[in-house]
Amino acid sequence: GAGVSQSPRYKVAKRGQDVALRCDPISGHVSLFWYQQALGQGPEFLTYFQNEAQLDKSGLPSDRFFAERPEGSVSTLKIQRTQQEDSAVYLCASSLEVGAKNIQYFGAGTRLSVL
Amino acid sequence: AQSVTQLGSHVSVSEGALVLLRCNYSSSVPPYLFWYVQYPNQGLQLLLKYTSAATLVKGINGFEAEFKKSETSFHLTKPSAHMSDAAEYFCAVSMDTGRRALTFGSGTRLQVQP
Repeated sequence: GAGVSQSPRYKVAKRGQDVALRCDPISGHVSLFWYQQALGQGPEFLTYFQNEAQLDKSGLPSDRFFAERPEGSVSTLKIQRTQQEDSAVYLCASSLEVGAKNIQYFGAGTRLSVL
Repeated sequence: AQSVTQLGSHVSVSEGALVLLRCNYSSSVPPYLFWYVQYPNQGLQLLLKYTSAATLVKGINGFEAEFKKSETSFHLTKPSAHMSDAAEYFCAVSMDTGRRALTFGSGTRLQVQP
């Protein structure tokens, strides 16, 4: 596609519900990143994929967070038993190649509100 | 580990005035530096990046930034502010070693007064 697409754009969940957030990266992009952006803050790293391999999940805040990219394209971030502190915007980014100097292209994000 | 500090969470300028948004970084190895802009309810858009070539980097929409190793700074400037520049600006750093993700500053909200 023309850019990184994320769905849904907005998600309201009751505390304790499970949610799944989808990211459709730019076609052919090898690297995919998930970030969490709390209100008034900069994005913070959650996890990184190179193709289908999850190479870094050190930023996931708890074992309730799980991400996958089974075919090296679309990725899903799943949050189990959501808590109020999970309320944030979840951003997905992709880049064409592996390497820290490559530009990351961001989606518009999914705004998650946990009530 | 790397980190980014953006001085000033809010900056207000008059239309036509100079824009200066400050960014200082810490990094144990030569960094790659980025400026992103975020408009309300939108994702981040790259303004410019430094990847160890020219220290003065020109970006989109008339923005530029200068990498100063001695000051560990990468400040963003624009000679003349436009109303459409009002947005949130983020400085970010990445490195070839360790985590390849971006580490962001906390952002600076730019207001442009008519």
